[in-house]
Order: sequence, then structure tokens, then C-alpha cells
Amino acid sequence: KNEVEQSPQNLTAQEGEFITINCSYSVGISALHWLQQHPGGGIVSLFMLSSGKKKHGRLIATINIQEKHSSLHITASHPRDSAVYICAVGNTDKLIFGTGTRLQVFP
Amino acid sequence: GAGVSQTPSNKVTEKGKYVELRCDPISGHTALYWYRQSLGQGPEFLIYFQGTGAADDSGLPNDRFFAVRPEGSVSTLKIQRTERGDSAVYLCASSFLAVGELFFGEGSRLTVL
Repeated sequence: KNEVEQSPQNLTAQEGEFITINCSYSVGISALHWLQQHPGGGIVSLFMLSSGKKKHGRLIATINIQEKHSSLHITASHPRDSAVYICAVGNTDKLIFGTGTRLQVFP
Repeated sequence: GAGVSQTPSNKVTEKGKYVELRCDPISGHTALYWYRQSLGQGPEFLIYFQGTGAADDSGLPNDRFFAVRPEGSVSTLKIQRTERGDSAVYLCASSFLAVGELFFGEGSRLTVL
């Protein structure tokens, strides 16, 4: 079993839909990161959080430390949101990555 | 610089050759990470530097892989006697603090023929 599990692996949506991507982990962590990777592109950090909830524009990230679970929500999704979303957990000095969720938003 | 810079962006080499990949982190970032990403997979940790020293090199797959950061800024990942299985995108990231917000480079795509 992977130390970081994401679901779903693939997700398609119509423009405007509310999107949720989930991340569960099994190790003790100091922080959890949500990252975005566009096809052929580099990785961009969306959020780093260790408790509670953060919001940036249409993106919201939550974490429940007791349940070792985090969610990334996208409100009013848009085709430009199409990307791979990666959850990574910080454990002392390194990150452990999930395999990512591939999101496609159609107009 | 403005962001993390990696060179070359693409490298094609023959099996058995030696390869160097360079990472220039954001100025002032003491933490530097190397990751490797194979097609369809999430990034895999290779090595972490705090300043000039390798704080954790447990992700290096074998002794053909080596990385240095002699002045605490630019880092070079060195791969000896390359094998076809080394083909991947090698990603570098830096952060101001260990386990702080990460800034990634665009990656170096290595293809070993």
C-alpha cells in the first residue's frame, strides 16, 4: 500500500462543476502540499497546509490531521483547470508524493 | 533568479554514457531537492540538500547516481554508465525552509537510448 493515496485517479467534468480530489496518507507529517502539473509543464505549488483550511481564488484545500486525510476542491471549474493534481506529504526532510489525479474539464 | 532553473531541458544520450543535470535554485533557498518522475507516475524522491550537505540521499537508486552542491546554491546531479531505465524527467525544487513551500523547476527530460 502506498503511503499517499489519491482518489480518483482520473476525473472528467463539465465546465462549472464542483470538483473534489481526495488524499489519504499513512505516515506522520509536518505539512501537506497540493501541487498542479500541466501536461509537459513544470509543477506549481498550490497549497501547503498543516491544519484546517486554505482558500485561494476558486481553490480550497482542507486537512484533517486526526483522520490523515485532505481534500482539494475546485469551484466553478474551467477547462484551464485541466491538469494533474498531486498530493505530497512532508515528513521531516522530504516529500512523499501521491501518483496524482488527472482532471479534464470540458467546455 | 526569478525561479528554479534546470539545464538542459532535454538530454538524449546513449546507454553507458555519463550525464550531468544542473539545478539553479531560487536565491537564498537553503533546501534543494532532486526528484525523478517516470511517465504516468508521481515524482520520486532522490536526494535532499540543506546548504552544502546532502541531508538525505536515501532515494538515490544506486551508486551510479551522485549529486553535489559545493557552494550551497547550484546543484549537479551526476549519472554514470546510464541505463535505459534511467530515462525520466528529473525535477529540482528548492525552498527557503526545510519542508517549506516548494518551488519546482521545469525539469530535465533524460532519454537513454
